[in-house]
Amino acid sequence: GQNIDQPTEMTATEGAIVQINCTYQTSGFNGLFWYQQHAGEAPTFLSYNVLDGLEEKGRFSSFLSRSKGYSYLLLKELQMKDSASYLCAVRSYSGAGSYQLTFGKGTKLSVIP
Amino acid sequence: GAGVSQSPRYKVAKRGQDVALRCDPISGHVSLFWYQQALGQGPEFLTYFQNEAQLDKSGLPSDRFFAERPEGSVSTLKIQRTQQEDSAVYLCASSRSQETQYFGPGTRLLVL
Repeated sequence: GQNIDQPTEMTATEGAIVQINCTYQTSGFNGLFWYQQHAGEAPTFLSYNVLDGLEEKGRFSSFLSRSKGYSYLLLKELQMKDSASYLCAVRSYSGAGSYQLTFGKGTKLSVIP
Repeated sequence: GAGVSQSPRYKVAKRGQDVALRCDPISGHVSLFWYQQALGQGPEFLTYFQNEAQLDKSGLPSDRFFAERPEGSVSTLKIQRTQQEDSAVYLCASSRSQETQYFGPGTRLLVL
């Protein structure tokens, strides 16, 4: 089965940098995704890593180490609108002709002034 | 362009009622996924379609749950004889083949 762990809650200050960690155990790994979800809204795609290393996209960066089963999402220059849940999701081959996304429980980030 | 749309956005059902939830994927996306998201949890996979074929329904929690996508576009998730534990947000996502999934706003189902 799949197991994905990420912290339940984090708090950070506006303008600061925050790192949200995700560890996973899976078979048939085929990529790791980060999604942002504001309360009552749909998850929106942030980043995707399939190879080891850092992917940078504006204020957001995501890192992957497949050997360690570890990823993090780095958010720089935090803004109040970044307050949301951040979902780590692992894609793996389900053996049924599809790739499944397995999500962690999400990290609720609160940005304070 | 238009994103994934779902209807209704909110549904209140009495225990034992049947409900039908609709998903309109992004045009041209062959893959369609349904997820269930309980409060404070991440989405959990229910089922997957490639065009009109339901390739994976391993996440459906019981035989009361049924999904279809007869013409390879719009999909409907049906829940028969709803129970209180079915209360959740039901999310639909679509993608081009096996690429990034884009989510709809979800249907929030409350079973009383």
